[in-house]
Amino acid sequence: AIQLTQSPSSLSASVGDRVTITCRASQGISSALAWYHQKPGKAPKVLIYDASSLESGVPSRFSGSGSGTDFTLTISSLQPEDFGTYCCQQFNSYPFSFGPGTKLDIK
Amino acid sequence: QVQLQESGPGLVKPSETLSLTCSVSGFSISSGYFWGWIRQPPGKGLEWIGSIYQTGTTYYTPSLKSRVTQSLDMSKNQFSLQLNSVTAADTAVYYCARQRLYLGELSYFDNWGQGTPVTVSS
Repeated sequence: AIQLTQSPSSLSASVGDRVTITCRASQGISSALAWYHQKPGKAPKVLIYDASSLESGVPSRFSGSGSGTDFTLTISSLQPEDFGTYCCQQFNSYPFSFGPGTKLDIK
Repeated sequence: QVQLQESGPGLVKPSETLSLTCSVSGFSISSGYFWGWIRQPPGKGLEWIGSIYQTGTTYYTPSLKSRVTQSLDMSKNQFSLQLNSVTAADTAVYYCARQRLYLGELSYFDNWGQGTPVTVSS
């Protein structure tokens, strides 16, 4: 099974900051990666699919990049509503797996 | 607008069967998507349980495959999860979700239910 790791596990940033989160796969997954944002007590919401494609309705400050084993999610200008946990998911092979999450706090 | 809503008991006794239903509105479950279940134990990350297609084709995560059954009810536009022989390790928030087909393959989850907490305890 493919394992996903994320770094950092948590971070604090200020409104307007540029934030980058990394997801690493234990083996190559091409570009079969999605990023989700989850607020406490809420369901995850997809932001990015296929590593770099923006899901419809998601603000353009979110972007993704990478292929193979290393991926990044970037928030170009952090907004107050962006707090919460971000996680990645691979869909290259079964079983589908999720990263452990990166908790983002707003300073 | 697609909406999904999980329902089922919030408390299940050890060794018994956990049964959950996901009611879908605003979209037909027979319209070319997979429908999945994902869970999140307290303080932990998300775990994919399995997915089902309108034809009844299913995919399950290996660690749960021997205990999981998924089914569809087209007449009610619902799909269901059964997990038998539960233990405390099955305590989690359970989500149902729509899974997109991307380039002909199962991919990411684009619409989720709000989640339902299930506790396994006597």
